[in-house]
Amino acid sequence: GAGVSQSPSNKVTEKGKDVELRCDPISGHTALYWYRQSLGQGLEFLIYFQGNSAPDKSGLPSDRFSAERTGGSVSTLTIQRTQQEDSAVYLCASTPTGTGYGYTFGSGTRLTVV
Amino acid sequence: SQKIEQNSEALNIQEGKTATLTCNYTNYSPAYLQWYRQDPGRGPVFLLLIRENEKEKRKERLKVTFDTTLKQSLFHITASQPADSATYLCALGNTNAGKSTFGDGTTLTVKP
Repeated sequence: GAGVSQSPSNKVTEKGKDVELRCDPISGHTALYWYRQSLGQGLEFLIYFQGNSAPDKSGLPSDRFSAERTGGSVSTLTIQRTQQEDSAVYLCASTPTGTGYGYTFGSGTRLTVV
Repeated sequence: SQKIEQNSEALNIQEGKTATLTCNYTNYSPAYLQWYRQDPGRGPVFLLLIRENEKEKRKERLKVTFDTTLKQSLFHITASQPADSATYLCALGNTNAGKSTFGDGTTLTVKP
């Protein structure tokens, strides 16, 4: 597509429920990133996919968080048993390859856990 | 641990002046540094990337410098306009790690 697409744009969920956030990167981009941004804060790295390599999961805050990327394209970030501290904007970005490029970000998913 | 500091959370300047934003880092040897613009409720938008062997890069009214000795990047917006008001983020990247590390940002307000 022309840009990085994320859905839903907003998600309100009850504490303890599972949520899935979707990211559709730019066609042909082999690298995909998930970051999250809490209110008034900088971006916190979560996970990075590059081609067929094993993903860099070093930023996932707990085992409640997981992500997959199917067919080298669409990615889903899953948060199980959501907690209030999970409330944030979840941003997805893609680049043509893994390093040396500026990111193209989506508009993000604003997650609110009540 | 790695640390990125962007000067003051907020910067207010008068229209037409040059805005200068600072990004300092410690415990890091980045191969490149990026600057992004972020408007409220939107994802960051990539502006410029400068590599460790480059001293300066320009794009229209924007200029970025990168001093690996001082561990500092300066981001300049000349002839600033109210439309330049936004939060500006710097990010450091390395060739052996796909992820970039972001600063907390500086919010620039350009007053008419």
